Amino acid sequence: QKEVEQDPGPLSVPEGAIVSLNCTYSNSAFQYFMWYRQYSRKGPELLMYTYSSGNKEDGRFTAQVDKSSKYISLFIRDSQPSDSATYLCAMSAQGAQKLVFGQGTRLTINP
Amino acid sequence: GAGVSQSPSNKVTEKGKDVELRCDPISGHTALYWYRQSLGQGLEFLIYFQGNSAPDKSGLPSDRFSAERTGGSVSTLTIQRTQQEDSAVYLCASSRSGGRQETQYFGPGTRLLVL
Repeated sequence: QKEVEQDPGPLSVPEGAIVSLNCTYSNSAFQYFMWYRQYSRKGPELLMYTYSSGNKEDGRFTAQVDKSSKYISLFIRDSQPSDSATYLCAMSAQGAQKLVFGQGTRLTINP
Repeated sequence: GAGVSQSPSNKVTEKGKDVELRCDPISGHTALYWYRQSLGQGLEFLIYFQGNSAPDKSGLPSDRFSAERTGGSVSTLTIQRTQQEDSAVYLCASSRSGGRQETQYFGPGTRLLVL
């Protein structure tokens, strides 16, 4: 079993919809949780970063972490075609430098 | 530079050949990471360099893989006697000092195809 599980999709939604992306994990030592966005043939770029449990909002994006359930989510409101990309969750333990990634979810927003 | 750069962008090689992949981190960044992205596997950590410290090689999949970082800047990932299962995108990332959960900035990757 992988440390981080993420549904690879693909996920296709109409423009303007609310998108929910999720990851589950098994390592209770994870303290830092990130969402990366990766456009086709590009490197991943950091979208959201959360420490421990709680919510974080940045514009149309909201990240949630529920450590008791080992479950993290990314919500995208008023989705736009430019949001079409692969979204990867990543996490790391306290003091660890390496990131452990989910498989990535391929998202398409249809105009 | 403006961002992390990697070369070549694409590499096609024959099984059994050696390949070298290059990474130029963001200027001033002392921490450098290599990851591998395979179809259906997500990103897998390979190796981490921080300044003059011994690298964390815990993610290297076999002794055919090695990496070095010269002068604390440019890094080269070498794969010897390539196998078809080595086909993947190899991504390099850098961060300012490898400190507590700093943002890792990724390059565009090198797409390796082993025939």
